[in-house]
Amino acid sequence: AQSVTQLGSHVSVSEGALVLLRCNYSSSVPPYLFWYVQYPNQGLQLLLKYTTGATLVKGINGFEAEFKKSETSFHLTKPSAHMSDAAEYFCAVSGFTGGFKTIFGAGTRLFVKA
Amino acid sequence: GAVVSQHPSRVICKSGTSVKIECRSLDFQATTMFWYRQFPKQSLMLMATSNEGSKATYEQGVEKDKFLINHASLTLSTLTVTSAHPEDSSFYICSARVEGPAAEAFFGQGTRLTVV
Repeated sequence: AQSVTQLGSHVSVSEGALVLLRCNYSSSVPPYLFWYVQYPNQGLQLLLKYTTGATLVKGINGFEAEFKKSETSFHLTKPSAHMSDAAEYFCAVSGFTGGFKTIFGAGTRLFVKA
Repeated sequence: GAVVSQHPSRVICKSGTSVKIECRSLDFQATTMFWYRQFPKQSLMLMATSNEGSKATYEQGVEKDKFLINHASLTLSTLTVTSAHPEDSSFYICSARVEGPAAEAFFGQGTRLTVV
């Protein structure tokens, strides 16, 4: 079975500060890992994904994440937070088992202070 | 990226009635679609996997007779909430996968269901 744990249901940073959202996964097969962002009452937007190859993945809006197999982690970072980054962020895992269904973490609400 | 259209975006219905939500892949064919439910301030919980031309696969604890899923074509899956009750009020989101082992799922914009 696959699962995702996001550490911290709420993260607050100042505008211009580093954003770090933590995600650890559990998977018995090579995982495909994703970060999604959700704004209120909207669907999900893909920020970035890791499938194979380079472990440092760059996404949209300046976000990036690094796949660390030894730590079973896929933390999301952004060097400088913008007010527009305030949203809910979900880490997710998928894979060959279970028909590639996407399993989500509990989510982390990012607050950005002026 | 691929586009998934979900309709309606919001619906209010009376208790005891049924509501149908549509999920369409606009520019690709999706043999597999997924339906999720999201309670306020919570994560997305997978309800079922919808397979074109066959019965849906429901997650444990999801009532298949209450949440009817039909995937009649490669671009359309529907979720019908039958005999809706206020506790069924929630945000429902569908997703569709582009074929390929490493392809991500694309998500619809969600449907806010309110049962009064």
